[in-house]
Amino acid sequence: AQKVTQAQTEISVVEKEDVTLDCVYETRDTTYYLFWYKQPPSGELVFLIRRNSFDEQNEISGRYSWNFQKSTSSFNFTITASQVVDSAVYFCALSEDTDKLIFGTGTRLQVFP
Amino acid sequence: SQTIHQWPATLVQPVGSPLSLECTVEGTSNPNLYWYRQAAGRGLQLLFYSIGIDQISSEVPQNLSASRPQDRQFILSSKKLLLSDSGFYLCAWSPGTADTQYFGPGTRLTVL
Repeated sequence: AQKVTQAQTEISVVEKEDVTLDCVYETRDTTYYLFWYKQPPSGELVFLIRRNSFDEQNEISGRYSWNFQKSTSSFNFTITASQVVDSAVYFCALSEDTDKLIFGTGTRLQVFP
Repeated sequence: SQTIHQWPATLVQPVGSPLSLECTVEGTSNPNLYWYRQAAGRGLQLLFYSIGIDQISSEVPQNLSASRPQDRQFILSSKKLLLSDSGFYLCAWSPGTADTQYFGPGTRLTVL
């Protein structure tokens, strides 16, 4: 069965700290896709990254980086030098090459000035 | 570029009243379309998805229904709302199966 676990319900940091959001997934398929979305207070989900199961290369985009490890079924997200604008709920999601996107329960990140 | 619209942005409805939420996508053809619901403080639940006109798949049995009368229009309906229908409804589109889903601004529904 497919499942996404985001064990961290809420994280609070002070501006400029680095923070890592954890995501652990379960799937029996060899082909699957992993996603991260950001949900700011306005509510709209903003797409951040999509990674397929055959590409374990880590990705960096500005202050954002993602670490994909198939050995531990994890797809963690790190924000370097966090800013107040990073405050949001972050969702990790899994798709097993279908139309169904399975979301984790989200991690609320609060960045204080 | 593609844009996705949802309306209304907010809605307050009494129990037992009908519902119609609309979602439209611009700038693409034959998108896959999705309806999600996010209950307060919880994750997202897929309600319906559509790969084409009049092709609707339901994920969760409930008193809601969906229709796709045009290629880029997706409508979520109910004949009689329940208190449990309150939540944040998000529409999304993707270019195809397993592709990235892009979300609209959402509709916040409160059933009293």
